[in-house]
Amino acid sequence: DARVTQTPRDKVTEMGQEVTMRCQPILGHNTVFWYRQTMMQGLELLAYFRNRAPLDDSGMPKDRFSAEMPDATLATLKIQPSEPRDSAVYFCASGAGLANEQFFGPGTRLTVL
Amino acid sequence: AQSVTQPDIHITVSEGASLELRCNYSYGATPYLFWYVQSPGQGLQLLLKYFSGDTLVQGIKGFEAEFKRSQSSFNLRKPSVHWSDAAEYFCAVGDTGGFKTIFGAGTRLFVKA
Repeated sequence: DARVTQTPRDKVTEMGQEVTMRCQPILGHNTVFWYRQTMMQGLELLAYFRNRAPLDDSGMPKDRFSAEMPDATLATLKIQPSEPRDSAVYFCASGAGLANEQFFGPGTRLTVL
Repeated sequence: AQSVTQPDIHITVSEGASLELRCNYSYGATPYLFWYVQSPGQGLQLLLKYFSGDTLVQGIKGFEAEFKRSQSSFNLRKPSVHWSDAAEYFCAVGDTGGFKTIFGAGTRLFVKA
């Protein structure tokens, strides 16, 4: 059945390294979201795209985070340089734009040492 | 601005007992409303949604929720809880004018034998 996939599932890296997380939305979905989840902050919206165009990335630290959709089947979230405070689970979700219903991927657990 | 409040950080119920999780929202018009469930190590999964019409909506896994405009509430209920229902539950409100969804802080459900 159709589902959102994310890679890698787990990533451990050292402070200062570049991290790239990838997401494959459900085929036919034209809205893609990136969220970050931590115990302290809960679920935070970082950025979202519609028809591959960024609509809002106000939740994202601009100096180190970037999000792109090179094509309709791939969304990327990049952190450069990474910091320990970036440790979190990052979720990608996609939707068909209908009333905001979203389908979440399994997440990427990032640990920055 | 839109907001979602889940007053209970965690709730413990006995297996077989009934469950009600509270959710209050703030939105100028009739919102799109959702409940999602997150099992440990998983992404969020949609339980049910309300767009319009009948204010009592049925979802998966035996859950239901009732939209009460006068109380700005959208409480989630289940008549008999199973141990497998132990998870975190998120109420969410969707922006009918856009694509963003605002999530509550979540309520963690514990089920005791």
